[in-house]
Amino acid sequence: GAVVSQHPSWVICKSGTSVKIECRSLDFQATTMFWYRQFPKQSLMLMATSNEGSKATYEQGVEKDKFLINHASLTLSTLTVTSAHPEDSSFYICSARISSYNSPLHFGNGTRLTVT
Amino acid sequence: GEDVEQSLFLSVREGDSSVINCTYTDSSSTYLYWYKQEPGAGLQLLTYIFSNMDMKQDQRLTVLLNKKDKHLSLRIADTQTGDSAIYFCVYGKLTFGQGTILTVHP
Repeated sequence: GAVVSQHPSWVICKSGTSVKIECRSLDFQATTMFWYRQFPKQSLMLMATSNEGSKATYEQGVEKDKFLINHASLTLSTLTVTSAHPEDSSFYICSARISSYNSPLHFGNGTRLTVT
Repeated sequence: GEDVEQSLFLSVREGDSSVINCTYTDSSSTYLYWYKQEPGAGLQLLTYIFSNMDMKQDQRLTVLLNKKDKHLSLRIADTQTGDSAIYFCVYGKLTFGQGTILTVHP
């Protein structure tokens, strides 16, 4: 089946530094990938839609300069949390669709970010 | 806009059946999905149903769709402790329910 690999699984960084999270589709091409943020015991909040070869589309309230998204190839999207602060600590998850609008989303295993 | 609602908590005894319910407001999507999230992990696709179906069964999982009432349910037969997780109902374009935390007691 379709596999989405997310790396790293967890990361601890100091305030003010930047952290890059990678999301790869291992056995399919994904023109669109999605980035979410999840707070403890809450649902996923869609942050942005990453489109291969074009700018990401950010949801309302998500700072695009804070959360930089790059989708340089059909199998890789990256999310960079710039100048991280403790309030950015969260669980970040990516997902990808194989093709059509209605095909299932396949999720990465998430990245636990802790900013000290 | 689209809205998906689920009950937040469900607690059952091992061996009993679990029923997780979901209601949605839109009706334009072709598919509805159920995902499972174990602690600290990503989401795993459990099953999905086409909007032109009423029921789908896959081993211990049964999905029922009532299009008239815009109600979707996931039944897990013979629930095991390994089924303890958060279950998300997902509709159409990335609309997630809040997630139902299923706790299975021995």
